[in-house]
Amino acid sequence: KQEVTQIPAALSVPEGENLVLNCSFTDSAIYNLQWFRQDPGKGLTSLLLIQSSQREQTSGRLNASLDKSSGRSTLYIAASQPGDSATYLCAVKTSYDKVIFGPGTSLSVIP
Amino acid sequence: DARVTQTPRHKVTEMGQEVTMRCQPILGHNTVFWYRQTMMQGLELLAYFRNRAPLDDSGMPKDRFSAEMPDATLATLKIQPSEPRDSAVYFCASGSGQPQHFGDGTRLSIL
Repeated sequence: KQEVTQIPAALSVPEGENLVLNCSFTDSAIYNLQWFRQDPGKGLTSLLLIQSSQREQTSGRLNASLDKSSGRSTLYIAASQPGDSATYLCAVKTSYDKVIFGPGTSLSVIP
Repeated sequence: DARVTQTPRHKVTEMGQEVTMRCQPILGHNTVFWYRQTMMQGLELLAYFRNRAPLDDSGMPKDRFSAEMPDATLATLKIQPSEPRDSAVYFCASGSGQPQHFGDGTRLSIL
């Protein structure tokens, strides 16, 4: 059974710092991995999607990497801003439709 | 910007009452998902439909939960009778492939 974990559960950093969020999954047989952002009281917004054949994806200040063999993904946020404060969830696609979510990392960027 | 719309946004009711949550998926999306989010369990898939046909509802307690899609513009999730342990945020998401687009959720409190 696929399990997804995220470390740390919470993170607080000063504005401008670069940071890394971690995601681990137990079964390497995945279709893809996504990183989502969730703001308080809101739904999830997709940030980056990495196909199983890819190693990384970039969007602006965000870079996500995927090492399928070791069951790991990282989300790198450069030059963090207070507006980056949110919960970040990773999710792995295990079949045509099913997506398993991690518990999330709650990020606070302090001005 | 097309959005997934969920109603109501908040619902407080007493245990034993019937609860109906509604979702209007993005026009043209052929897959609709229902998720439940709690602090303890995180985000869990309850059920999903493709082209209005139920494909998987194994995540739902079938004795009290039911999900339907009477037409392409409406998906419903019902709980009858409701119990305090059903208190959670319920999200609807729609997509055609990935990524899924999430609504802002229904925050349900069962007293």
